[in-house]
Amino acid sequence: DAKTTQPPSMDCAEGRAANLPCNHSTISGNEYVYWYRQIHSQGPQYIIHGLKNNETNEMASLIITEDRKSSTLILPHATLRDTAVYYCIGLPAGYSTLTFGKGTMLLVSP
Amino acid sequence: GAVVSQHPSRVICKSGTSVKIECRSLDFQATTMFWYRQFPKQSLMLMATSNEGSKATYEQGVEKDKFLINHASLTLSTLTVTSAHPEDSSFYICSAPPAGGNSYNEQFFGPGTRLTVL
Repeated sequence: DAKTTQPPSMDCAEGRAANLPCNHSTISGNEYVYWYRQIHSQGPQYIIHGLKNNETNEMASLIITEDRKSSTLILPHATLRDTAVYYCIGLPAGYSTLTFGKGTMLLVSP
Repeated sequence: GAVVSQHPSRVICKSGTSVKIECRSLDFQATTMFWYRQFPKQSLMLMATSNEGSKATYEQGVEKDKFLINHASLTLSTLTVTSAHPEDSSFYICSAPPAGGNSYNEQFFGPGTRLTVL
């Protein structure tokens, strides 16, 4: 699996966009970028994933650079309930085992 | 979305006793389930992969005789912590990808079980 690097923490004001970066410079061509989040004392929750095109769903948008060495998860209008640890994971297609790094603790404040 | 449940959500036990944690996929079948452990302020660590109808696969450093895993059906996997000690106190989380997989590798996580060993 590709090694990913994320900032340990970020702050965001409620209602503003939260942009969470992830570096994955060693990602290989068949590895997807997955994002999960974990709200305190809960199990992780899948957010979004992508290979090389930008992706959007009801939760977030994922912007992947053309060289695929980094990506940004965007929560367009952060709410207090988005306060969580966000994990960026590189994973080959069809491979199920998730390896969690330290992630980014996002704190959304009023 | 698919739902994974865990029972119990919280358990306190005395040192030396055994504790069983159940992980159920409520609306889908899972031939594979994963068990994670999370200590305070740390990330999730994969303990083992539970396979329906066969033996579990344990990660390096995880004692298979201490953490017994049984995947008896396509919707149920159990983790039994045998002879629990205070250092086993942790947050145990299971996850499951739907049987047959999906192209998205999306996994569904249970809400976790908080184990406290006195």
